[in-house]
Amino acid sequence: DAEITQSPRHKITETGRQVTLACHQTWNHNNMFWYRQDLGHGLRLIHYSYGVQDTNKGEVSDGYSVSRSNTEDLPLTLESAASSQTSVYFCASSESGIPDTQYFGPGTRLTVL
Amino acid sequence: AQSVTQLGSHVSVSEGALVLLRCNYSSSVPPYLFWYVQYPNQGLQLLLKYTSAATLVKGINGFEAEFKKSETSFHLTKPSAHMSDAAEYFCAVRSNSGGYQKVTFGTGTKLQVIP
Repeated sequence: DAEITQSPRHKITETGRQVTLACHQTWNHNNMFWYRQDLGHGLRLIHYSYGVQDTNKGEVSDGYSVSRSNTEDLPLTLESAASSQTSVYFCASSESGIPDTQYFGPGTRLTVL
Repeated sequence: AQSVTQLGSHVSVSEGALVLLRCNYSSSVPPYLFWYVQYPNQGLQLLLKYTSAATLVKGINGFEAEFKKSETSFHLTKPSAHMSDAAEYFCAVRSNSGGYQKVTFGTGTKLQVIP
């Protein structure tokens, strides 16, 4: 069965360190998204991609970067982790076209000390 | 700009009672609307979606939602709550324009089912 996986599921890091969260999907979807989930804010879009070599900033992209070198993967990098980036991160993917349905990974809980 | 507002961050119902979770949207073009459910320590799953066909949309697990343009609402209902319905529910909107698939999520409503 097709799926979307994230790793690690839990991560503790220190302020200033670079961190990369992995996202891998076997749906063969063109579209991939990264969200962060915080109490009182719901899900906020960090970055998204509509295909290989395509990346776009979402509403809370500062301090984050992504790259898309193949269809299956969209890693999210925190260049210099900050305590404000402590959150739960979700990756999602969707097929092109209208209407779309987003398929979510299980999430990564990141703590920045 | 598109947005959704979910009224009530927490809703409690008794087992067997009606579930009503409220969502109002704002969109400059005809919207696509979604309800997602998130069980503890899991990612979101699609419950149902409105795509400009029938205004009453039926989803999984006995949930349904009605699109009311005049009220800009897309409330989620279930006639009889079950303990397994305890979860967080997110309303989302995607505008049907530009070919881009950015979806805006609400802040979520946590449903508690009391036995």
